[in-house]
Amino acid sequence: GAVVSQHPSWVICKSGTSVKIECRSLDFQATTMFWYRQFPKQSLMLMATSNEGSKATYEQGVEKDKFLINHASLTLSTLTVTSAHPEDSSFYICSAYKRGMSSYEQYFGPGTRLTVT
Amino acid sequence: AQSVSQHNHHVILSEAASLELGCNYSYGGTVNLFWYVQYPGQHLQLLLKYFSGDPLVKGIKGFEAEFIKSKFSFNLRKPSVQWSDTAEYFCAVITSGGYQKVTFGTGTKLQVIP
Repeated sequence: GAVVSQHPSWVICKSGTSVKIECRSLDFQATTMFWYRQFPKQSLMLMATSNEGSKATYEQGVEKDKFLINHASLTLSTLTVTSAHPEDSSFYICSAYKRGMSSYEQYFGPGTRLTVT
Repeated sequence: AQSVSQHNHHVILSEAASLELGCNYSYGGTVNLFWYVQYPGQHLQLLLKYFSGDPLVKGIKGFEAEFIKSKFSFNLRKPSVQWSDTAEYFCAVITSGGYQKVTFGTGTKLQVIP
């Protein structure tokens, strides 16, 4: 299978600061990566779709100026939470899309837990 | 827009019991259906998927799911659960065409008691 990593796995920051989360596909090229947010006891909510070399597509209700996404290469996408506030505390998960021979599959990273104090 | 509902939020079973987790989706067109599993402290892993063909699909670790188009359902089953199956299970849908945008259900937490 394909491996997707995220860094950091856990971060604590002060309110008002910015935090960058990296998502890397380690052994395949990912033309598309997705960013999700998971609240406790809730499902994963898609935040945005990130395509290499172009602007990300944000889901309705997600502030693109607050959650900056950059997909600079075929193996790296970053999510920057700008001016973080306690309500941004959550579990952020990325996935990378790998086009298979007969099906489409997404491979998920282990997630990053963000705590804003 | 498509939606996915999982009616069982928390299921507790004894080892060797049979498992069935419900998943219903709402979308009138062609869908691709998935079940993902998230073991404690680990990331999401694909359990099985349905794209076309035989509506009964078999996945890893003895899991299977049946796609019933008329019921918009894709229930997950396992005849005999083990303690190691304790995890959270997510049903997901991708609609055919366009970006591979996944819509997840709210998840079902399965607890298997030895």
